[in-house]
Amino acid sequence: RKEVEQDPGPFNVPEGATVAFNCTYSNSASQSFFWYRQDCRKEPKLLMSVYSSGNEDGRFTAQLNRASQYISLLIRDSKLSDSATYLCVVNPAGYGQNFVFGPGTRLSVLP
Amino acid sequence: GAVVSQHPSWVICKSGTSVKIECRSLDFQATTMFWYRQFPKQSLMLMATSNEGSKATYEQGVEKDKFLINHASLTLSTLTVTSAHPEDSSFYICSALGRIYNEQFFGPGTRLTVL
Repeated sequence: RKEVEQDPGPFNVPEGATVAFNCTYSNSASQSFFWYRQDCRKEPKLLMSVYSSGNEDGRFTAQLNRASQYISLLIRDSKLSDSATYLCVVNPAGYGQNFVFGPGTRLSVLP
Repeated sequence: GAVVSQHPSWVICKSGTSVKIECRSLDFQATTMFWYRQFPKQSLMLMATSNEGSKATYEQGVEKDKFLINHASLTLSTLTVTSAHPEDSSFYICSALGRIYNEQFFGPGTRLTVL
């Protein structure tokens, strides 16, 4: 089993739609969780950290379920500019240690 | 977020040559930097963890004698691909670990093409 797994995608949605991405991780001792977005041929950019209590940033909501080892990202009122690959990232071992990246889920928002 | 630069942004070289890639944290000191490689349509794969003033820690399957890493200062880490071959062609990305939160800030990447 891979350390971090994500919905295979791609997701093709119309503008204004709500879309949800799922991610599961295998290491129950994982410490930190993030969502990054990566545009084609660009570096990943941090979208948001994921906290146990869940967190929201504008149209984006992230949730963490430690018991189920599951992370989600919800995008409301999707925009054309949201088209990208969304990477679920887990830090298994604590501060200063490497991140493990999921394979990514590609989103295309269509006009 | 913090700013990380990489140089060069792209390079084309002949097989057998060595290529050096620089990763700089511009507005903060990074004791830890990471080097990743990404092949087309695949996710980032960690190559090594670079700690200032000490030897890099390489991931399994990454040849330390082929991918030389030097982290001589708190703002600069370099990756040298020695005797590059076409199969080394890839997108190389560095990141710097934030000081306060456990976030990684990525450089813009270096696209290496070995002919």
